[in-house]
Amino acid sequence: GAVVSQHPSRVICKSGTSVKIECRSLDFQATTMFWYRQFPKQSLMLMATSNEGSKATYEQGVEKDKFLINHASLTLSTLTVTSAHPEDSSFYICSASTPGQSEKLFFGSGTQLSVL
Amino acid sequence: TQLLEQSPQFLSIQEGENLTVYCNSSSVFSSLQWYRQEPGEGPVLLVTVVTGGEVKKLKRLTFQFGDARKDSSLHITAAQTGDTGLYLCAGRRGKTGTASKLTFGTGTRLQVTL
Repeated sequence: GAVVSQHPSRVICKSGTSVKIECRSLDFQATTMFWYRQFPKQSLMLMATSNEGSKATYEQGVEKDKFLINHASLTLSTLTVTSAHPEDSSFYICSASTPGQSEKLFFGSGTQLSVL
Repeated sequence: TQLLEQSPQFLSIQEGENLTVYCNSSSVFSSLQWYRQEPGEGPVLLVTVVTGGEVKKLKRLTFQFGDARKDSSLHITAAQTGDTGLYLCAGRRGKTGTASKLTFGTGTRLQVTL
């Protein structure tokens, strides 16, 4: 099946720094990628929809200047958490849909962000 | 507002027991999926149901989509310790064949012990 690689799997950073998370579709082209946030023992909350070559669509309540999304190619989307604060600590997960099989989403393995 | 409510939120059972997890909404979904997620990993798709009343079986797991496409259930027969994990339902409201976003349920954490 399709594979989505997410990197890094875990990152610890100081408050005020920026962190970039990469999401790559390894064996297919993903015109659309999604970014989710998950707090401990809770469900996934959609943050934004990332479309290749255009601006991301953010969900209500998600600060676009705080969570910068870039989808410059059909195989790579990045999420940058700018000026991170402890409350940004969370598990971030990306997913990508395959053209022609858009009922299926393939998920990355997630990134655990800890802001000190 | 969470569109998809799952129950129970947490379930601890012994190996060999049966269980059912429910996913309910007041909204209609074009399709509904069930995922299982283990700690520190992304969700893994178990099944997609599309037609109202549809029943799908995956070994010991039985999935049903409500007639009105507003709810779904997951039944596990003779649970095993390997079934432990977070079970998530997710609904899609767009047309079939489009990359519409998923709305995830509140999640059910299952723990199966020996």
